[in-house]
Amino acid sequence: GPKVLQIPSHQIIDMGQMVTLNCDPVSNHLYFYWYKQILGQQMEFLVNFYNGKVMEKSKLFKDQFSVERPDGSYFTLKIQPTALEDSAVYFCASSLARADSDYTFGSGTRLLVI
Amino acid sequence: QQQVRQSSQSLTVWEGETAILNCSYENSAFDYFPWYQQFPGEGPALLIAIRSVSDKKEDGRFTIFFNKREKNLSLHIKDSQPGDSATYFCAASAQGGRALIFGTGTTVSVSP
Repeated sequence: GPKVLQIPSHQIIDMGQMVTLNCDPVSNHLYFYWYKQILGQQMEFLVNFYNGKVMEKSKLFKDQFSVERPDGSYFTLKIQPTALEDSAVYFCASSLARADSDYTFGSGTRLLVI
Repeated sequence: QQQVRQSSQSLTVWEGETAILNCSYENSAFDYFPWYQQFPGEGPALLIAIRSVSDKKEDGRFTIFFNKREKNLSLHIKDSQPGDSATYFCAASAQGGRALIFGTGTTVSVSP
Protein backbone atom coordinates (compact mmCIF):
# COMPACT_ATOMS: atom_id res chain seq x y z
CA GLY A 1 0.00 0.00 0.00
CA PRO A 2 0.99 3.66 -0.01
CA LYS A 3 3.81 4.52 2.34
CA VAL A 4 5.09 7.43 4.38
CA LEU A 5 8.85 7.77 4.14
CA GLN A 6 10.86 9.24 7.00
CA ILE A 7 14.45 10.43 6.65
CA PRO A 8 16.75 9.81 8.44
CA SER A 9 15.87 6.61 10.26
CA HIS A 10 18.36 7.42 13.03
CA GLN A 11 19.96 10.67 14.17
CA ILE A 12 22.41 11.42 16.97
CA ILE A 13 22.90 15.05 17.81
CA ASP A 14 24.59 17.16 20.46
CA MET A 15 22.32 18.95 22.91
CA GLY A 16 21.69 22.51 21.81
CA GLN A 17 22.11 21.81 18.12
CA MET A 18 19.35 22.00 15.55
CA VAL A 19 17.81 18.92 13.96
CA THR A 20 15.38 18.57 11.07
CA LEU A 21 13.30 15.44 10.66
CA ASN A 22 11.94 14.85 7.19
CA CYS A 23 8.73 13.17 6.11
CA ASP A 24 7.49 12.33 2.63
CA PRO A 25 3.75 11.73 3.11
CA VAL A 26 1.41 9.72 0.91
CA SER A 27 1.10 11.72 -2.30
CA ASN A 28 -2.62 12.55 -2.28
CA HIS A 29 -2.93 13.02 1.48
CA LEU A 30 -3.79 16.45 2.78
CA TYR A 31 -3.34 16.22 6.55
CA PHE A 32 0.01 15.67 8.22
CA TYR A 33 0.94 14.80 11.80
CA TRP A 34 3.90 14.33 14.09
CA TYR A 35 3.84 12.01 17.11
CA LYS A 36 6.52 11.29 19.71
CA GLN A 37 7.07 7.84 21.22
CA ILE A 38 9.42 6.98 24.08
CA LEU A 39 10.56 3.42 24.82
CA GLY A 40 7.92 1.86 22.58
CA GLN A 41 5.16 3.18 24.76
CA GLN A 42 2.46 5.76 24.28
CA MET A 43 2.21 7.67 21.03
CA GLU A 44 2.06 11.33 22.09
CA PHE A 45 0.45 13.76 19.65
CA LEU A 46 2.57 16.79 18.81
CA VAL A 47 1.00 18.66 15.92
CA ASN A 48 -1.20 18.42 12.87
CA PHE A 49 -0.84 20.48 9.73
CA TYR A 50 -3.18 21.23 6.85
CA ASN A 51 -3.12 23.63 3.94
CA GLY A 52 0.15 25.15 5.04
CA LYS A 53 -0.94 25.81 8.60
CA VAL A 54 -0.73 24.28 12.05
CA MET A 55 -4.29 23.21 12.86
CA GLU A 56 -3.75 21.83 16.34
CA LYS A 57 -0.81 21.31 18.68
CA SER A 58 -0.29 19.76 22.08
CA LYS A 59 1.57 20.98 25.16
CA LEU A 60 4.51 18.81 24.04
CA PHE A 61 4.94 20.99 20.97
CA LYS A 62 7.36 23.38 22.63
CA ASP A 63 8.42 26.77 21.29
CA GLN A 64 11.63 25.11 20.09
CA PHE A 65 9.58 23.01 17.63
CA SER A 66 8.40 24.13 14.22
CA VAL A 67 6.84 22.44 11.21
CA GLU A 68 6.53 23.35 7.58
CA ARG A 69 5.92 21.87 4.17
CA PRO A 70 7.19 24.07 1.38
CA ASP A 71 5.39 23.24 -1.90
CA GLY A 72 6.30 19.86 -3.30
CA SER A 73 8.83 19.00 -0.63
CA TYR A 74 9.07 17.21 2.66
CA PHE A 75 6.91 17.86 5.70
CA THR A 76 9.53 18.72 8.30
CA LEU A 77 9.81 18.90 12.07
CA LYS A 78 12.59 21.16 13.24
CA ILE A 79 13.84 21.28 16.81
CA GLN A 80 16.06 24.22 17.69
CA PRO A 81 17.73 23.99 20.12
CA THR A 82 17.50 20.33 21.08
CA ALA A 83 17.33 19.15 24.70
CA LEU A 84 18.09 15.76 26.26
CA GLU A 85 14.39 15.09 26.79
CA ASP A 86 13.79 15.34 23.05
CA SER A 87 15.35 11.89 22.65
CA ALA A 88 12.55 9.69 21.32
CA VAL A 89 11.19 8.12 18.17
CA TYR A 90 9.30 10.65 16.07
CA PHE A 91 6.59 9.34 13.79
CA CYS A 92 5.13 11.20 10.89
CA ALA A 93 1.66 10.32 9.64
CA SER A 94 -0.63 11.51 6.90
CA SER A 95 -4.31 11.12 6.12
CA LEU A 96 -6.47 11.87 3.13
CA ALA A 97 -9.23 13.47 5.07
CA ARG A 98 -9.54 14.89 8.53
CA ALA A 99 -8.61 13.09 11.74
CA ASP A 100 -11.43 10.56 11.75
CA SER A 101 -9.95 8.68 8.84
CA ASP A 102 -7.09 6.28 8.34
CA TYR A 103 -3.64 7.50 9.25
CA THR A 104 -0.63 6.10 7.43
CA PHE A 105 2.47 6.19 9.63
CA GLY A 106 6.11 6.16 8.64
CA SER A 107 8.68 3.90 10.31
CA GLY A 108 9.92 6.70 12.54
CA THR A 109 13.13 8.64 13.12
CA ARG A 110 15.04 7.57 16.20
CA LEU A 111 16.52 10.72 17.67
CA LEU A 112 19.18 10.61 20.37
CA VAL A 113 20.28 13.89 21.92
CA ILE A 114 23.57 13.60 23.84
CA GLN B 1 -4.94 13.26 32.70
CA GLN B 2 -4.89 10.26 30.41
CA GLN B 3 -7.77 10.66 27.96
CA VAL B 4 -7.54 7.15 26.52
CA ARG B 5 -6.61 4.36 28.90
CA GLN B 6 -5.62 0.76 28.22
CA SER B 7 -5.93 -1.31 31.35
CA SER B 8 -3.17 -3.83 30.62
CA GLN B 9 0.39 -2.95 29.67
CA SER B 10 1.02 -6.52 28.56
CA LEU B 11 -0.90 -9.70 27.85
CA THR B 12 0.23 -13.26 27.14
CA VAL B 13 -2.03 -15.82 25.49
CA TRP B 14 -1.55 -19.27 24.01
CA GLU B 15 -1.85 -19.83 20.29
CA GLY B 16 -5.49 -20.43 19.40
CA GLU B 17 -6.90 -18.52 22.37
CA THR B 18 -8.83 -15.26 22.21
CA ALA B 19 -6.90 -12.20 23.37
CA ILE B 20 -9.05 -9.44 24.86
CA LEU B 21 -7.66 -5.93 25.08
CA ASN B 22 -9.57 -3.28 27.00
CA CYS B 23 -9.73 0.46 26.49
CA SER B 24 -11.65 3.26 28.17
CA TYR B 25 -11.94 6.97 27.51
CA GLU B 26 -12.92 10.19 29.23
CA ASN B 27 -14.13 12.56 26.56
CA SER B 28 -17.77 12.13 25.53
CA ALA B 29 -16.98 13.99 22.31
CA PHE B 30 -14.84 11.11 21.04
CA ASP B 31 -16.69 9.44 18.20
CA TYR B 32 -14.09 7.52 16.21
CA PHE B 33 -12.04 4.69 17.72
CA PRO B 34 -9.34 2.96 15.66
CA TRP B 35 -7.00 0.26 16.89
CA TYR B 36 -3.44 0.33 15.60
CA GLN B 37 -0.96 -2.54 15.57
CA GLN B 38 2.75 -1.85 15.95
CA PHE B 39 5.65 -4.27 15.47
CA PRO B 40 9.10 -3.44 16.90
CA GLY B 41 11.01 -0.98 14.74
CA GLU B 42 7.96 -0.04 12.70
CA GLY B 43 5.27 2.60 12.76
CA PRO B 44 1.72 1.77 13.87
CA ALA B 45 -0.63 0.42 11.22
CA LEU B 46 -4.42 0.66 11.26
CA LEU B 47 -5.98 -2.66 12.19
CA ILE B 48 -9.69 -1.99 12.62
CA ALA B 49 -11.87 0.99 13.60
CA ILE B 50 -15.36 1.71 14.89
CA ARG B 51 -17.56 4.79 15.09
CA SER B 52 -19.66 5.57 18.13
CA VAL B 53 -22.94 4.89 16.31
CA SER B 54 -22.06 1.18 16.23
CA ASP B 55 -21.58 -1.29 19.06
CA LYS B 56 -19.65 -3.94 17.17
CA LYS B 57 -17.25 -4.11 14.24
CA GLU B 58 -15.79 -7.33 12.92
CA ASP B 59 -12.99 -7.89 10.43
CA GLY B 60 -11.77 -11.46 10.14
CA ARG B 61 -10.32 -12.56 13.48
CA PHE B 62 -10.52 -9.05 14.94
CA THR B 63 -13.66 -7.66 16.61
CA ILE B 64 -14.29 -4.40 18.43
CA PHE B 65 -17.04 -4.28 21.05
CA PHE B 66 -18.08 -0.73 21.95
CA ASN B 67 -20.11 0.50 24.93
CA LYS B 68 -20.91 4.19 24.60
CA ARG B 69 -22.71 4.46 27.92
CA GLU B 70 -19.78 3.00 29.84
CA LYS B 71 -17.18 4.78 27.65
CA ASN B 72 -15.24 1.63 27.01
CA LEU B 73 -14.38 -0.69 24.19
CA SER B 74 -12.46 -3.89 23.70
CA LEU B 75 -10.54 -5.56 20.92
CA HIS B 76 -10.93 -9.33 20.63
CA ILE B 77 -8.34 -11.28 18.68
CA LYS B 78 -9.82 -14.68 17.96
CA ASP B 79 -7.62 -17.74 17.31
CA SER B 80 -4.45 -15.80 18.23
CA GLN B 81 -1.36 -16.56 16.16
CA PRO B 82 2.33 -15.98 16.99
CA GLY B 83 2.33 -13.38 14.19
CA ASP B 84 -0.20 -11.35 16.21
CA SER B 85 2.50 -10.65 18.81
CA ALA B 86 2.75 -6.87 18.75
CA THR B 87 1.75 -3.74 20.63
CA TYR B 88 -1.85 -2.66 20.15
CA PHE B 89 -2.92 0.93 20.60
CA CYS B 90 -6.46 2.07 21.18
CA ALA B 91 -7.00 5.60 19.85
CA ALA B 92 -9.81 8.13 19.69
CA SER B 93 -10.67 11.36 17.99
CA ALA B 94 -13.37 13.89 18.66
CA GLN B 95 -15.90 15.43 16.32
CA GLY B 96 -14.60 18.30 14.28
CA GLY B 97 -11.55 16.52 12.96
CA ARG B 98 -9.24 16.80 15.92
CA ALA B 99 -6.12 14.62 15.87
CA LEU B 100 -6.05 11.05 17.16
CA ILE B 101 -5.25 10.58 20.82
CA PHE B 102 -3.55 7.27 21.59
CA GLY B 103 -3.73 5.05 24.64
CA THR B 104 -0.66 3.69 26.39
CA GLY B 105 -0.62 0.46 24.40
CA THR B 106 -0.93 -3.23 25.28
CA THR B 107 1.87 -5.56 24.25
CA VAL B 108 0.49 -8.96 23.29
CA SER B 109 2.64 -12.07 23.24
CA VAL B 110 1.20 -15.20 21.66
CA SER B 111 2.98 -18.36 22.74
CA PRO B 112 2.96 -21.34 20.36
